[in-house]
Amino acid sequence: KAGVTQTPRYLIKTRGQQVTLSCSPISGHRSVSWYQQTPGQGLQFLFEYFSETQRNKGNFPGRFSGRQFSNSRSEMNVSTLELGDSALYLCASSLGVLAAGDTQYFGPGTRLTVL
Amino acid sequence: DAKTTQPTSMDCAEGRAANLPCNHSTISGNEYVYWYRQIHSQGPQYIIHGLKNNETNEMASLIITEDRKSSTLILPHATLRDTAVYYCIVRVTDKLIFGTGTRLQVFP
Repeated sequence: KAGVTQTPRYLIKTRGQQVTLSCSPISGHRSVSWYQQTPGQGLQFLFEYFSETQRNKGNFPGRFSGRQFSNSRSEMNVSTLELGDSALYLCASSLGVLAAGDTQYFGPGTRLTVL
Repeated sequence: DAKTTQPTSMDCAEGRAANLPCNHSTISGNEYVYWYRQIHSQGPQYIIHGLKNNETNEMASLIITEDRKSSTLILPHATLRDTAVYYCIVRVTDKLIFGTGTRLQVFP
C-alpha cells in the first residue's frame, strides 16, 4: 500500500505570494492533518480534516487554510507569505477520526522557502 | 494532552540495545503513549504505541511502567540507520503534540 504523498517536495516563493500544497493520504484513510516544522518552534499542529470538514485547528493565523476533497485528498494554502513561513510542511493521515489509539502516518513533507 | 520529558541526546554503540526513556507524569487514564522518529528532514516515522501493557513490534518494544508515569522505547539491536530524533508523545484525541525529542546517535 502506498504511503502518504505530498507535492511538491520543494518550493521557493517570495514574500507576499501565496502557495498551495497538496497531500494524498494512504488509500482508505479519511483523516488528514497538517503540521509545520521549523528549527525554532519544532513540529506544530496546523489543522485536521475529516470527511471534508475541518475538525480541529492549531494556533496559526488565518493566512493558513486548508480543505479536503471527497476522495480525502487535502490541500493547504498559505496566503501573503512571510519569511517566517519557511518550514517543512508535513501531512499525516489516519484511518478515521483521530481517536485514542488511532495512528497517524506522515508523508515526506514539502520544504517551503520564502525569500 | 500530557507533557512529556525526554533527554536531549543519547549515544548507543551499533549492535547494542538502545533504551530511550520518557517521563509523562501527568498522563491521564485514556491517553496513549506514541513513539515516532524523524531522520534528518524526513517525515516522522511511526514506531509503536501503547496504553497500559508493554508492546512489541518488528521495530521496537515499548515498556510502560505500572503507574504509567514513564515509558521506555527499546531498539534491541541498534544500527547506524537508527540515528534519528525520537519523539515520545501522549495524546487522547485530535492531534499529536511533539516535544523536542531525544537525538539518538548510533556509533560504529
